[in-house]
Amino acid sequence: GENVEQHPSTLSVQEGDSAVIKCTYSDSASNYFPWYKQELGKRPQLIIDIRSNVGEKKDQRIAVTLNKTAKHFSLHITETQPEDSAVYFCAASVGAQKLVFGQGTRLTINP
Amino acid sequence: GAGVSQSPSNKVTEKGKDVELRCDPISGHTALYWYRQSLGQGLEFLIYFQGNSAPDKSGLPSDRFSAERTGGSVSTLTIQRTQQEDSAVYLCASSLMSGGNSPLHFGNGTRLTVT
Repeated sequence: GENVEQHPSTLSVQEGDSAVIKCTYSDSASNYFPWYKQELGKRPQLIIDIRSNVGEKKDQRIAVTLNKTAKHFSLHITETQPEDSAVYFCAASVGAQKLVFGQGTRLTINP
Repeated sequence: GAGVSQSPSNKVTEKGKDVELRCDPISGHTALYWYRQSLGQGLEFLIYFQGNSAPDKSGLPSDRFSAERTGGSVSTLTIQRTQQEDSAVYLCASSLMSGGNSPLHFGNGTRLTVT
């Protein structure tokens, strides 16, 4: 069935450095790819999303790239700050009805 | 405006008892989703509603789990004869259209503990 793989499961970077999280998906019909940030004890919140008709989208320090041929997409955070520490989830649409999520990446920004 | 509201925020129950979890979506959102998040784990899809109908129930773990949605708004997730492995945070989300095309807005979840 549909599957989303996310790597790495944990990531630790120095403040100011960049962080990259990668996801692959199995359903070639997937056309919507959001990223969610979940701080400890809080709800997941959308931080950026991309649709299949574009290859890259940027919002300030956050960018997402999509390679439909290879069926993978990535989240890039530049100039990381302590408040970027959280768990990040990627997701891919399935059947235009639901989202299947990756297992999450715990990002820690070291001061 | 108001976000997705879930109640209760925490529920402790004894093994074998039934529990009912409630979700009040954002007004006007036609799609509603239930996900389960075990400690330190990802988001496991349970069920999806479009209006009052459930086109996809494929994620419900067993026949002890059921959900309904009435009036195209509030949804309840019922777990019968709870087991310890049911302990998790149950997250509800809604979206303006089907989640395959628009962002999901999550509630704060119900933390269920089965003792």
